[in-house]
Amino acid sequence: EAGVAQSPRYKIIEKRQSVAFWCNPISGHATLYWYQQILGQGPKLLIQFQNNGVVDDSQLPKDRFSAERLKGVDSTLKIQPAKLEDSAVYLCASSLGLNTYEQYFGPGTRLTVT
Amino acid sequence: KNEVEQSPQNLTAQEGEFITINCSYSVGISALHWLQQHPGGGIVSLFMLSSGKKKHGRLIATINIQEKHSSLHITASHPRDSAVYICALNSGGSNYKLTFGKGTLLTVNP
Repeated sequence: EAGVAQSPRYKIIEKRQSVAFWCNPISGHATLYWYQQILGQGPKLLIQFQNNGVVDDSQLPKDRFSAERLKGVDSTLKIQPAKLEDSAVYLCASSLGLNTYEQYFGPGTRLTVT
Repeated sequence: KNEVEQSPQNLTAQEGEFITINCSYSVGISALHWLQQHPGGGIVSLFMLSSGKKKHGRLIATINIQEKHSSLHITASHPRDSAVYICALNSGGSNYKLTFGKGTLLTVNP
């Protein structure tokens, strides 16, 4: 069974530039999560999708971050414009559904904003 | 105060030593997870617990619901065990989201 795929694995941009990350969850997984993990911290949930609908985006900085999962499968997270403090690993995870505890994580995208 | 506290933050051990990493939490939970994250890598689920004890190879996880405490033990540690170990909680609610600790960086020297 293929795992959660993410791309790119690494990205370096200058502040005020834009960047987009892509995630393809495990086939059949209805729930998709985007997390931000700053160095030395645990992951922080940015947004949670159930199919193509948003379940929780309370910690998403909506002035600069956006995410979509238009067809309920893969998802894109965008930052525009980026700030220095956005440097982090962005993790995507998926689970079978809302009522399941176990999440499966992708390898992450390491973003460096200079 | 964070909902999830892990200790120690950093741990260095010699190969073969017995390792213990602790996780304390302050909220009611429906499940607790121990996760492993290698440098530059994604996160792998090691255990999911709601009570008692689980064992997988050299890894043992225990949880005491009354004391709101969990431990992860590694027996006969090896350099390949070097990673960040993260405790995460499902604290109920309708969306089963996880709350993560800051992680414990384990380095096992040969």
